Amino acid sequence: NAGVMQNPRHLVRRRGQEARLRCSPVKGHSHVYWYRQLPEEGLKFMVYLQKENIIDESGMPKERFSAEFPKEGPSILRIQQVVRGDSAAYFCASSPGQGQVHYFGSGTRLTVV
Amino acid sequence: GQQVMQIPQYQHVQEGEDFTTYCNSSTTLSNIQWYKQRPGGHPVFLIQLVKSGEVKKQKRLTFQFGEAKKNSSLHITATQTTDVGTYFCAGGGQAGTALIFGKGTTLSVSS
Repeated sequence: NAGVMQNPRHLVRRRGQEARLRCSPVKGHSHVYWYRQLPEEGLKFMVYLQKENIIDESGMPKERFSAEFPKEGPSILRIQQVVRGDSAAYFCASSPGQGQVHYFGSGTRLTVV
Repeated sequence: GQQVMQIPQYQHVQEGEDFTTYCNSSTTLSNIQWYKQRPGGHPVFLIQLVKSGEVKKQKRLTFQFGEAKKNSSLHITATQTTDVGTYFCAGGGQAGTALIFGKGTTLSVSS
């Protein structure tokens, strides 16, 4: 039983480059959530997706950030033209249904240099 | 919008002392969940409470859900160094919305 798989674990990007973070949910889970965490801070909700649909993106910046969860393949969080302020840990979680228990991946630590 | 407040933000205790973290929501919750994140790790689910006034225990951990389903608490009896980490509460609200996480309480324990 594979849990939520996130890759890469660590990602270094120069300012202006693009960052692509991938998340494969628990098998059978169709609900995926992305959270951002700064050092010694809480989990900030970004976006909630359910297979091919964005359910809630109220926590995601309107510019440079986008997310998708295609019918086949992992969910992708894409950050274009990264800036130093994007440096953070990005966690993905999946659940079998809306609002149910979240299973978190190990996160992607993004560093923008 | 819905908010979940958690206090205290930090707590340091001596090993063997008790610890409590509190969670308060601005709106009535459908359920409350608790997670633990070890330093450098990822959040791990601990428990879910659904019923008004519900109390659940896991060894030295006691979880409560308030009668009005707007607040919750996690109490650890006789803390151990293995309890170190950040404890998050997360509230389930309206249908179609994601869980709202509190900012967490970071517990440190000295032996």
